[in-house]
Amino acid sequence: DTAVSQTPKYLVTQMGNDKSIKCEQNLGHDTMYWYKQDSKKFLKIMFSYNNKELIINETVPNRFSPKSPDKAHLNLHINSLELGDSAVYFCASSPPFGAGYTFGSGTRLTVV
Amino acid sequence: GDSVTQMEGPVTLSEEAFLTINCTYTATGYPSLFWYVQYPGEGLQLLLKATKADDKGSNKGFEATYRKETTSFHLEKGSVQVSDSAVYFCALSDPRGATNKLIFGTGTLLAVQP
Repeated sequence: DTAVSQTPKYLVTQMGNDKSIKCEQNLGHDTMYWYKQDSKKFLKIMFSYNNKELIINETVPNRFSPKSPDKAHLNLHINSLELGDSAVYFCASSPPFGAGYTFGSGTRLTVV
Repeated sequence: GDSVTQMEGPVTLSEEAFLTINCTYTATGYPSLFWYVQYPGEGLQLLLKATKADDKGSNKGFEATYRKETTSFHLEKGSVQVSDSAVYFCALSDPRGATNKLIFGTGTLLAVQP
């Protein structure tokens, strides 16, 4: 039973489209995250929710909007997709401080 | 702000060689330190962690010791296998912060040849 699951695994879309990535965790963690991994493997945090409340909102274009309907789900909606949005997006969850994250397997987004 | 610096890769070794991947950090507080591993096409997996100075994290033959005096958390393994080929990320989080944000190094690609 997958702990953190993301869908879809691959997403190919044209510039200007709107798309969503879904994430669900069954670990009972209160905190969830979205990270972006670029082509050089660099990981940067985008957002974090704690029990449905936004607690981290890094410098991300406002075309990106997270939504957390409950503490087990954190979705990412992206409007007006651009070529530079092509990356792998990882969802993660964690218990309280110091315990580390559990990551999903990633969504590879390709904008053409 | 807090940051993590890792040695640049790729690191190419023969099977059974000794591995060291250097990691140093900058933090105002006393962070928790982590090593994550990413196998090709997969997400990141927690490899080991240490939460205070002089702690040693270990898992699957990998070890790292939290050295406060040198602000380092170097990853070591005595004898690598082909199956260890992956990207390794050093990371920190500040447990006193308002969030549990993980800050990652740039990753080090390890390629082990038979």
